[in-house]
Amino acid sequence: GAGVSQSPSNKVTEKGKDVELRCDPISGHTALYWYRQSLGQGLEFLIYFQGNSAPDKSGLPSDRFSAERTGGSVSTLTIQRTQQEDSAVYLCASSLVGTAGAEKLFFGSGTQLSVL
Amino acid sequence: AQKITQTQPGMFVQEKEAVTLDCTYDTSDPSYGLFWYKQPSSGEMIFLIYQGSYDQQNATEGRYSLNFQKARKSANLVISASQLGDSAMYFCAMSSALIGNEKLTFGTGTRLTIIP
Repeated sequence: GAGVSQSPSNKVTEKGKDVELRCDPISGHTALYWYRQSLGQGLEFLIYFQGNSAPDKSGLPSDRFSAERTGGSVSTLTIQRTQQEDSAVYLCASSLVGTAGAEKLFFGSGTQLSVL
Repeated sequence: AQKITQTQPGMFVQEKEAVTLDCTYDTSDPSYGLFWYKQPSSGEMIFLIYQGSYDQQNATEGRYSLNFQKARKSANLVISASQLGDSAMYFCAMSSALIGNEKLTFGTGTRLTIIP
């Protein structure tokens, strides 16, 4: 498809298990973002990849969270030893980096993570 | 640090009426971008409109316009002739205009319901 694709759309896991969330950005988009949206809240920035630059990890809430982007395209967000407070919708977005400040992000439909 | 404040958790508006969604922001950056996104029940975030801090005129995109008042640090979204399909969550967001700092800061959102 032409949009940002995320998988799985829903993930239920047990506390303490590791999970991997996948994002396929729009082809050709150089920037990729992960955000987290807790129930009834706005979006919380997690991590940002831009081309070959070192990722901006300033939003990752703990060292249980990590992400990688392979070949400048697909990204995987990994949460180790999941906790109940990790339950949220994890949204991925991509964009073409152009004029500073004019970041039109294209979002995927998200992965709903539920930690029991 | 940047901060976005949306003080209206929910709004109900009659179909075909205009609606204004409030957004105020705080930043120490000399230049920045302001955005509005729509999130329908499907969960996907949809870009609506963008305003640069140095833009002299208010941005418009079809039925959407951004009422930018820089001195008051407000960036309200105006939707003219509202439609049933406008029912959704609406998020205000901002970015720094600095190259390499494209991540967005989001507000907590306003849930808009259009009444037939």
